[in-house]
Amino acid sequence: DAGVIQSPRHEVTEMGQEVTLRCKPISGHDYLFWYRQTMMRGLELLIYFNNNVPIDDSGMPEDRFSAKMPNASFSTLKIQPSEPRDSAVYFCASSPPASGLGSNEQFFGPGTRLTVL
Amino acid sequence: LAKTTQPISMDSYEGQEVNITCSHNNIATNDYITWYQQFPSQGPRFIIQGYKTKVTNEVASLFIPADRKSSTLSLPRVSLSDTAVYYCLVVYSGAGSYQLTFGKGTKLSVIP
Repeated sequence: DAGVIQSPRHEVTEMGQEVTLRCKPISGHDYLFWYRQTMMRGLELLIYFNNNVPIDDSGMPEDRFSAKMPNASFSTLKIQPSEPRDSAVYFCASSPPASGLGSNEQFFGPGTRLTVL
Repeated sequence: LAKTTQPISMDSYEGQEVNITCSHNNIATNDYITWYQQFPSQGPRFIIQGYKTKVTNEVASLFIPADRKSSTLSLPRVSLSDTAVYYCLVVYSGAGSYQLTFGKGTKLSVIP
């Protein structure tokens, strides 16, 4: 298995533009997580899905952020409009079925480094 | 509000054992503690997981005391390649929901 795949690996955009980050989880995994990592705030959970359904989006910073998971093999995180403070590394992770959230390891993708000018 | 706290940095010489402690208040009986390792420009990678007493695998041990308010990741005989940032993750359960909280990370520097 290729692991969790994220695209693009790097994105540079201007303030106000729409940004779409993509993730392909590991086949057979039914949890998918989106994280944001910055020096100041560390790793923050934005949203997670279970069986393609959003379960907790309380970490999504504001209405400019949205995430979808149309099927078990694809998810997107969209920022519209983007702002300089959104600059960060965004990670997608997936984990296999578990008896409860947190009882299985998460497999992280390589991340997307977003720079908003 | 659940909080996961760990030291910002640690230094160690090659060949020594390194212990990194994570503090986690309000942890419930079956809440899991997981440790991840992260190298620059890579995603975090799973090291070890447990929820009570002691867990050991081929790379590390995890010690969880009876009160479960803290846990310790132990890396035996570190090498230069263990230089990385180590994150403690606790998934707090309660009131029918989960709160997934990473610590801020401990930057381990292994010195030759």
